[in-house]
Amino acid sequence: DADVTQTPRNRITKTGKRIMLECSQTKGHDRMYWYRQDPGLGLRLIYYSFDVKDINKGEISDGYSVSRQAQAKFSLSLESAIPNQTALYFCATMRGRANTEAFFGQGTRLTVV
Amino acid sequence: AQSVTQPDIHITVSEGASLELRCNYSYGATPYLFWYVQSPGQGLQLLLKYFSGDTLVQGIKGFEAEFKRSQSSFNLRKPSVHWSDAAEYFCAVGDTGTGTASKLTFGTGTRLQVTL
Repeated sequence: DADVTQTPRNRITKTGKRIMLECSQTKGHDRMYWYRQDPGLGLRLIYYSFDVKDINKGEISDGYSVSRQAQAKFSLSLESAIPNQTALYFCATMRGRANTEAFFGQGTRLTVV
Repeated sequence: AQSVTQPDIHITVSEGASLELRCNYSYGATPYLFWYVQSPGQGLQLLLKYFSGDTLVQGIKGFEAEFKRSQSSFNLRKPSVHWSDAAEYFCAVGDTGTGTASKLTFGTGTRLQVTL
């Protein structure tokens, strides 16, 4: 089983619908992140969380919300999806200690029509 | 704010040729630096990282990178490319303000094509 699991892997939804992307991890890391990837733009940070009680906005948080239900679970919601939210979304985790790197899930490809 | 520039959007090399992917960063202190690779349909896999010490770091799959503070660069190199190296490569910088790389800022990526 993957250390960082994202569900669903692919999703097509209609404009205006609410959708939730889920991320769970078995690495025991404190820190969790949501990024979106668009061609030519690389990965951009949406939200991040250092523990269950700590949620922070990233550079492109408008139109998104998150929930850290437990140390191992971090969900991303699009309250009212719009076509320019069509992208590849990645969840990542990081141990809250020096000299560590981020570990990524396989990604969720979201299409808003 | 930290930032990363990968000036090459797309690079094509022949199998067996050497490779260098460029990365320039902007950060007020000594950064944490990373190179990740993304194969088609996959997530990101760490190739190598620099936190401190020796400025030439070795990674997986025969890759290495050199941190040059004077040039604000962290270029990725491989002496002989294999067809399986075709992928997208991302350079990232981690902020060090709290003593850990609390979040990563990524470059826009370089897509590597390998010709046989």
